[in-house]
Amino acid sequence: DAGVIQSPRHEVTEMGQEVTLRCKPISGHNSLFWYRQTMMRGLELLIYFNNNVPIDDSGMPEDRFSAKMPNASFSTLKIQPSEPRDSAVYFCASAPASGMYNEQFFGPGTRLTVL
Amino acid sequence: AQSVTQLGSHVSVSEGALVLLRCNYSSSVPPYLFWYVQYPNQGLQLLLKYTSAATLVKGINGFEAEFKKSETSFHLTKPSAHMSDAAEYFCAVSGSSARQLTFGSGTQLTVLP
Repeated sequence: DAGVIQSPRHEVTEMGQEVTLRCKPISGHNSLFWYRQTMMRGLELLIYFNNNVPIDDSGMPEDRFSAKMPNASFSTLKIQPSEPRDSAVYFCASAPASGMYNEQFFGPGTRLTVL
Repeated sequence: AQSVTQLGSHVSVSEGALVLLRCNYSSSVPPYLFWYVQYPNQGLQLLLKYTSAATLVKGINGFEAEFKKSETSFHLTKPSAHMSDAAEYFCAVSGSSARQLTFGSGTQLTVLP
């Protein structure tokens, strides 16, 4: 079975550029989560979707960040404009509709470097 | 609301020695508890989970954890460390009514030859 797929795996961009990170959740999962991991702040939940609807975006740092889930098999996290402090590893995770215990399945992450 | 505290951001053990990684939680509802492992340059992988069925939970790679309600703890153990266990370990908690997981700050495990 394919796990959570994220692309790109690495992204290097310059300050001010738009960055789009992509995620394909596991088929049949109805919840999707975006996390950011840094040395300073650890693992932070940015936003999560349930049945393609954003439920909690309180972790989104500021208006430069936006996330969409147009259908059950695809989500994007966009940063516009990007800043050096956005450099981090961004993880996408999904969880099944039938999951009673909220177990999440993580993708391999996208390492973002903003110069 | 839930929270997790992992005691010790770095733990070093010798190969073959006992591994003990500490996790204490706070939850206003009966918790679901998880341990995840992250190998370098990879995503998080589930090691084991507590779902109230049994207080001693066995996971992959020889790890286990014991839920102690009186101590609000869910410590992770392995009797004999292997070099391949070197990784970062995260404890997480969830409540029955919320889909989110709250993660601890992680413990980096180093295994010395």
